[in-house]
Amino acid sequence: SQQGEEDPQALSIQEGENATMNCSYKTSINNLQWYRQNSGRGLVHLILIRSNEREKHSGRLRVTLDTSKKSSSLLITASRAADTASYFCATDAAGGYQKVTFGTGTKLQVIP
Amino acid sequence: EAGVAQSPRYKIIEKRQSVAFWCNPISGHATLYWYQQILGQGPKLLIQFQNNGVVDDSQLPKDRFSAERLKGVDSTLKIQPAKLEDSAVYLCASSPIRRGGLQPRNYGYTFGSGTRLTVV
Repeated sequence: SQQGEEDPQALSIQEGENATMNCSYKTSINNLQWYRQNSGRGLVHLILIRSNEREKHSGRLRVTLDTSKKSSSLLITASRAADTASYFCATDAAGGYQKVTFGTGTKLQVIP
Repeated sequence: EAGVAQSPRYKIIEKRQSVAFWCNPISGHATLYWYQQILGQGPKLLIQFQNNGVVDDSQLPKDRFSAERLKGVDSTLKIQPAKLEDSAVYLCASSPIRRGGLQPRNYGYTFGSGTRLTVV
């Protein structure tokens, strides 16, 4: 079953604008990860945020995590056409062994 | 560092035929995962290995799907017989996490390029 739900399902922006994607999940987590998938390709790990962290940056990416609301957001600043892809959040449920469950994804289109 | 290798890249078979996919994870990665991704959906975990043992196969349709990881390295996923609804991309991923190990579990996965299966 899918743990995370991304919102919006699809997003279209102009190059240079910022893109924000949201993820909501249901159970307590150990960490939350964001992945990118270009059409027809494998997934690429972008960033991981631990449950005790609230914000993390990596280049043009900014991720926030609110464990009280069970939600996360991914912000891509100054978007480029090459950022066009599907973005998935994935949660590693707390306890037990590492088991990452993926959400439904947000399809981002950046128009040059 | 070499990535996760998968083959074949594409496969078209008729329903009721069998098919096998191969995955070679990153050297030294203890944990290997097979995911199924149906068009328009997120990846769904089929099976998780740690070394050559199965950790989780709760979502593997065991009447038709099987997987093994010999010697804790390469892995194969087989479907026999295939159904139309098995059409999907099959993704292999690996991570260095060991259960009970000293490494923190905060590692992302490294994915292969996937095998796109079409069942006609």
